[in-house]
This record gives sequence, structure tokens and C-alpha cells, in this order.
Amino acid sequence: EIVMTQSPATLSVSPGERATLSCRASQNINSNLAWYRQTPGQAPRLLIYGASTRATGIPARFSGSGSGTEFTLTISSLQSEDFAVYCCQQYHHWPPAFGQGTRLEIK
Amino acid sequence: VQLVESGGGVVQPGRSLRLSCVVSGFTLRSSAMHWVRQTPGKGLEWLAVMPYDGSKTYYADSVKGRFTISRDESKNTLYLQMNSLRAEDTGVYYCAKDRANYLFDYWGQGTLVTVSS
Repeated sequence: EIVMTQSPATLSVSPGERATLSCRASQNINSNLAWYRQTPGQAPRLLIYGASTRATGIPARFSGSGSGTEFTLTISSLQSEDFAVYCCQQYHHWPPAFGQGTRLEIK
Repeated sequence: VQLVESGGGVVQPGRSLRLSCVVSGFTLRSSAMHWVRQTPGKGLEWLAVMPYDGSKTYYADSVKGRFTISRDESKNTLYLQMNSLRAEDTGVYYCAKDRANYLFDYWGQGTLVTVSS
């Protein structure tokens, strides 16, 4: 099974600044990588799929990059609603696997 | 599109529980559906899939033989029957709609299951 590793576990950034989150796969997953945002009490929301394609309704400040085993989610100018937990997920190999998440907190 | 889970609660080890997920804005025949859980120990973990045509279901090794995914199309409802529950099954259980090939485009808000004596 593929193991997804996210770093850092916690990231402290000021509103309006840029945040960069990383996700690494234990094997090649091509571009079959998604990013989700989780806030307490709310449903996880799909942000990015195919490593770099924004899902419907996701603002342009969210961008994804990478392929193979190394991936990055960048949020260009943090808004208040962006302070949440972000998880990556691979869907190239069965079973699908998630990273442990990065908590993005207000600095 | 909306997914609403229910059926969670506190249950003793070894007992059973059935979760429900009522969907709206689409039909269960149009999309594969999944159950995913979030536990303190493992984070998000995929559990089971119901294909759009209701054919062969698949399970994670951690729940295979104990959990069963099913659906009632007339009620727009997906189920997860959980038997022989263990303490490590404690967590928030989500149903999720499949966009394609185990990519999840819509999720419910989750229902909390606590397995404790």
C-alpha cells in the first residue's frame, strides 16, 4: 500500500501571506493526487485534483503542482477561512490513501 | 448535491451499528459511493465502495468481513453495517461521492461512532 506523508504537521502563517504545503507518496502516483480542506464540523471539501486542477468553485489563490512522488499545495494570499487542516490523497493505486494532514494556523 | 449521514453513537465492543447516508442532487445509480472514516490513530481511511451499478463491492482490509456496504435506491440511501466493533473503530464516519476512480468530490459532514465499554 502507498503511504502519503505530509509536511509540516503544523504551519503558522499570517493572513494575506503565502502558505506552501507538501505531500510525498511512497511510490509513483503520476498526477493522481487530490487535496482536501477540513474545518471542524464541516464536510471535507475537494480543492485540487489531478495534482493541479482546481475543483468547481475553488478560488484561484489555490494552486497545486507536482507529479510522481512530490506534490505541493500553495495558497497565495491566506484568507480567514483558509485556516484549516489540509489533506492529500492518492487515487492512482488501490486502496486510496490519505496523508495525515497539515494544520494551517494563524500566526 | 448533499450527503447527510446518521446512525452514529456509543456502542460496546463486539456490538453492531448501522450508518445511513441520504443523498440528494444526484442518484445512487449515477455515481459510485464510498465510506471513509477519520480516527485519532490513522487519520482519514477509506473503508468501502459501492459501484454505481451496484455490482461488486470492495473493502479495506481493516474492515473486510466485519463491515458491509449496501444501498436502497428508492430511498436514495447508502448504508454501512458495522459488526464486531472494536475500540479502534472509534471515529467520524463520512460518506463520499465518487467523481472518478476513487476521487471524492462531495462528502457528508460525518457521524461520530464511539466504541467503548
